[in-house]
Amino acid sequence: RKEVEQDPGPFNVPEGATVAFNCTYSNSASQSFFWYRQDCRKEPKLLMSVYSSGNEDGRFTAQLNRASQYISLLIRDSKLSDSATYLCVVSLLYSSASKIIFGSGTRLSIRP
Amino acid sequence: NAGVTQTPKFQVLKTGQSMTLQCAQDMNHEYMSWYRQDPGMGLRLIHYSVGAGITDQGEVPNGYNVSRSTTEDFPLRLLSAAPSQTSVYFCASSRGTSGTYNEQFFGPGTRLTVL
Repeated sequence: RKEVEQDPGPFNVPEGATVAFNCTYSNSASQSFFWYRQDCRKEPKLLMSVYSSGNEDGRFTAQLNRASQYISLLIRDSKLSDSATYLCVVSLLYSSASKIIFGSGTRLSIRP
Repeated sequence: NAGVTQTPKFQVLKTGQSMTLQCAQDMNHEYMSWYRQDPGMGLRLIHYSVGAGITDQGEVPNGYNVSRSTTEDFPLRLLSAAPSQTSVYFCASSRGTSGTYNEQFFGPGTRLTVL
């Protein structure tokens, strides 16, 4: 079983739709959680951190469920510019530094 | 600030050749790392460094060497290139290793093809 699992998609939704992704992680000792965004042939960039109480940044909402070991990302009123791959990232303390584990990513395509 | 820079952007090698991928950051970050990204497999950690003079292996270190003589630079050396090393390589840095300090800043990547 992969340490971090995501539905690879692709999700193809119309502009203005609401779309949600889930990501599950296997290690209950995981400490920090993030969503990154990666555009085609570009480097990943941090979209948002995920806090225990859930957090919102504009049209984006992230939730953490430690009991079920998953995090989610909700995008409301989707825009064409939201088309990208979304990477779920988990970190846990390991040896001399945190171990950071990336999911394989979920591809999102927004159509006009 | 230039952030994290990588050179070259593209490289084609023949099997058995060696080369060094360069990575530099100007954010005074202690933590630097190298990842490779292959289709369907996500980013996999090759090597990382928690500070100048300190390096350690990640998930897929075989065939690669690193060194960290300064805070700014973290080159990745391919010892004897193999077709299995065809991939996109990303260098990343972060302020630290806990909480939000974990935010990884990535370079633009090096696309490597080994024939």
